[in-house]
Amino acid sequence: DADVTQTPRNRITKTGKRIMLECSQTKGHDRMYWYRQDPGLGLRLIYYSFDVKDINKGEISDGYSVSRQAQAKFSLSLESAIPNQTALYFCATSEGQGAEETQYFGPGTRLLVL
Amino acid sequence: AQKITQTQPGMFVQEKEAVTLDCTYDTSDQSYGLFWYKQPSSGEMIFLIYQGSYDEQNATEGRYSLNFQKARKSANLVISASQLGDSAMYFCAMRTGGGADGLTFGKGTHLIIQP
Repeated sequence: DADVTQTPRNRITKTGKRIMLECSQTKGHDRMYWYRQDPGLGLRLIYYSFDVKDINKGEISDGYSVSRQAQAKFSLSLESAIPNQTALYFCATSEGQGAEETQYFGPGTRLLVL
Repeated sequence: AQKITQTQPGMFVQEKEAVTLDCTYDTSDQSYGLFWYKQPSSGEMIFLIYQGSYDEQNATEGRYSLNFQKARKSANLVISASQLGDSAMYFCAMRTGGGADGLTFGKGTHLIIQP
């Protein structure tokens, strides 16, 4: 079984709808992250969480919210989806803080907002 | 602010040849880590190799090695004996020891291995 899973893998929604992307991990890592990837660009950080009580904004948090329900679960919500939020979304985990800590990514969720 | 630059949008390489993917970085932090990820057409992000800013030796992982030149702020990925399965997008990324968490990514290099 995969260590980091994301659901759904693909989603089509309409402008103005609220949607939630879910991430679960079995790696036992404290830190979890949400990134988005747009064509021709690298990944950009949306939100990150040190633990269930600590949520932090990343580079591009506007239009998004998150919930850390448990150590293993980190959800990303689009309160009112818009077309420019069409992207590939990745969840990632790492064991701790520090420059040496590798981040491990889930398989991604492809989101299309019409 | 941190920045990663990958100057090669795309590369074509013959199978079995070695290939070097360029990456330069910019940070004022003394402690940082450099990572390379592979993204095949299926979309997942696969961790390849890591180099720490205080590591004196270049990192190696199987056919992957990282040519780390700290004074030049470069962290090039070298793939030896390329294979058709190496065709993918490759991203260089950096993580610093302080400040906001998360990785800063470059825009990637699309590598195509030709038979």
